[in-house]
Amino acid sequence: QVQVEQSGAEVKKPGTSVKVSCKASASTFSSYAVSWVRQAPGQGLEWMGGIVPISATTKNAPKFQGRVTITADELTSTIYMELSSLTSEDTGVYYCARERGGNPGSSPRDLDYWGQGTLVTVSS
Amino acid sequence: EIVLTQSPATLSLSPGERATLSCRASQSVSSYLAWYQQKPGQAPRLLIYDASNRATGIPARFSGSGSGADFTLTISSLEPEDFAVYYCQQRRNWPLTFGGGTKVEIK
Repeated sequence: QVQVEQSGAEVKKPGTSVKVSCKASASTFSSYAVSWVRQAPGQGLEWMGGIVPISATTKNAPKFQGRVTITADELTSTIYMELSSLTSEDTGVYYCARERGGNPGSSPRDLDYWGQGTLVTVSS
Repeated sequence: EIVLTQSPATLSLSPGERATLSCRASQSVSSYLAWYQQKPGQAPRLLIYDASNRATGIPARFSGSGSGADFTLTISSLEPEDFAVYYCQQRRNWPLTFGGGTKVEIK
C-alpha cells in the first residue's frame, strides 16, 4: 500500500525557515522519486522540486533555487523539504507527492500519490 | 519554462451534462500531459496521464485527448462528485508546470 504522510501545520515568522516532512512507504522510498508542490491560498499548484530518495539526487525549480533544500533519510523513509527566508508570500499548503513510474529521476513525471498537505503560515 | 493556459476559467454545468476543458501549452509537450482533480480541502488526484491514459481507479466518463500543444479533458456525463477544480500539468521538461485551473461548478 502506498503511504505518503506529512507533518502537521506550522506557523513561522518572516525571515525564518520551515522544514516539512513526508513519511513514505518503504517501496516508495526505494523505487520512486518524490516531488514537493505548493498551493497558495485560493491559487493554483506550483512545483518546487523533487528528490530520488535512494540516491539523494535532487532537482529544484528555478524560482526556488537557493531557498529550498530537499533531503531524504533512508533509516526512516522520510523526505524533508526546508524553505528558508520565509515571507508572507510563502503562506500556503505544501504537498509531497510520488512521481509516477520507474527509473526515478531520469525524466520529469506526473504525480500519482499525494500526501494530505501541510499548511504553512508565515506571519509576524 | 513551459506555460500551460487552461480555459475556460469557470464552467457552469448541470449534472448529466458533458464537460469539455482545454489546456494549451506554450510549446509542444508531445503527449506528456496529465490532468488532476482537486476538491476543496483535499490534495489533487491524478486522473489522466500521458494525455489519454486513465489513472488507476478513474471512471471511464473521464477521457483525455490531444498532443503537441493542445489538449482536452472530457467528462462525458457529470456526476455530483465531479464538481471541482481541474489542473493540467506537463512533464515534457523540467520544471514541471501546471495550468491555472478550470473550476467546474454547478449551474
